[in-house]
Amino acid sequence: DVKVTQSSRYLVKRTGEKVFLECVQDMDHENMFWYRQDPGLGLRLIYFSYDVKMKEKGDIPEGYSVSREKKERFSLILESASTNQTSMYLCATRTGGRYEQYFGPGTRLTVT
Amino acid sequence: AQSVTQLDSQVPVFEEAPVELRCNYSSSVSVYLFWYVQYPNQGLQLLLKYLSGSTLVESINGFEAEFNKSQTSFHLRKPSVHISDTAEYFCARAGNQFYFGTGTSLTVIP
Repeated sequence: DVKVTQSSRYLVKRTGEKVFLECVQDMDHENMFWYRQDPGLGLRLIYFSYDVKMKEKGDIPEGYSVSREKKERFSLILESASTNQTSMYLCATRTGGRYEQYFGPGTRLTVT
Repeated sequence: AQSVTQLDSQVPVFEEAPVELRCNYSSSVSVYLFWYVQYPNQGLQLLLKYLSGSTLVESINGFEAEFNKSQTSFHLRKPSVHISDTAEYFCARAGNQFYFGTGTSLTVIP
């Protein structure tokens, strides 16, 4: 089974802090994705990566950056957290091609 | 642009009644469709998928979905729901990215 882990299930940060969310997968998948999920808005793609050191902007990249130094790890960075970044953050992976995504358990981030 | 539309944001249904969650997609040459389920405070889990072949696909817990090319739909059905089916359900299609619908909250009423 594919295993996707996220560094924290719940996280509370203060406005202006730099926040790191980490995602690790154990299936050697090329593609990795970061989403945020908000009530009534569904999942919105923040960034994705097709391979190591590659990244592409999704639909809502503003206020976020990413890092992928190793194939198994994809980090989401909030440079200066703001209250409107309070959300559920979901990481997903996929092997190349048009196959299904596998999701981590999510990180519920609260910015106060 | 590729997109997925889930027509119902909330669906309440009584236990043991049938349910249909609707999903429509924008037309394209190649279509790869998925249904995911999300239980509270968890990530998304794959429920079933259509890649090619038979237009009727089934999951292990009694859900099924039918790919209908003429109506550009991929509705999810279950003939008899259980309390444990209460969850959020997402329809999605694959392309260079993944395109999700906004979700349908299924509530099963005892």
